[in-house]
Amino acid sequence: EVQLVESGGGLVKPGGSLRLSCAASGFTFSSYTMNWVRQAPGKGLEWVSSISSSGTYIYYADPVKGRFTISRDNAKNSMYLQMNSLRAEDTAVYFCARDHGSYSGSLPGYWGQGTLVTVSS
Amino acid sequence: QSVLTQPPSVSAAPGQKVTISCSGSSSNIGKNYVFWYQQLPGTAPNLVIYENDSRPSGIPDRFSGSKSGTSATLDITGLQTGDEADYYCATWDSSLRAVIFGGGTKLSVL
Repeated sequence: EVQLVESGGGLVKPGGSLRLSCAASGFTFSSYTMNWVRQAPGKGLEWVSSISSSGTYIYYADPVKGRFTISRDNAKNSMYLQMNSLRAEDTAVYFCARDHGSYSGSLPGYWGQGTLVTVSS
Repeated sequence: QSVLTQPPSVSAAPGQKVTISCSGSSSNIGKNYVFWYQQLPGTAPNLVIYENDSRPSGIPDRFSGSKSGTSATLDITGLQTGDEADYYCATWDSSLRAVIFGGGTKLSVL
């Protein structure tokens, strides 16, 4: 069974930093693209970043480019999101998500329960 | 404003059918797979359709998807109160090099 468990969320001041982690189990982690997707309170889903299975290809949404860094450690079955220069508009539940399949064109298919990041003074 | 356009809300009676549309462009839906997600209140999204029209195991055949040109639709037949949720379409945008989501559609089963 695919399991994704996020951690690292919390309350941080504007301009601060936070590192989210996603622990994966139940599948061959090194075979799948992984994603971060966020959802602000009362709002829709917003893709944040994706990292390919080997880490070769990385993509970011415009609002987080230059501030967030996605990474993965296939030996530890884990993915990370380093978030710097945080803003109030980054307040959201952050979901870790595995691509549905290991093929080009696949999108998130399995989701963790999310971790809440609150940016406030 | 989302690159993918969905109606904010749809509603129908139990047992009826509802269609949720998702409109995009040639750089996204026009050349890439469409996925659909169901999000019940307070929970993580759940995949209900992948690759335009395929259902994951465990998703009832009351849910079906289709794609034509730059638009996609999600049909839900035999509506149940448990289907009340937010539904999102998503695809890859080849120009933006980004995953894009529709703004979401709130389904009410009256």
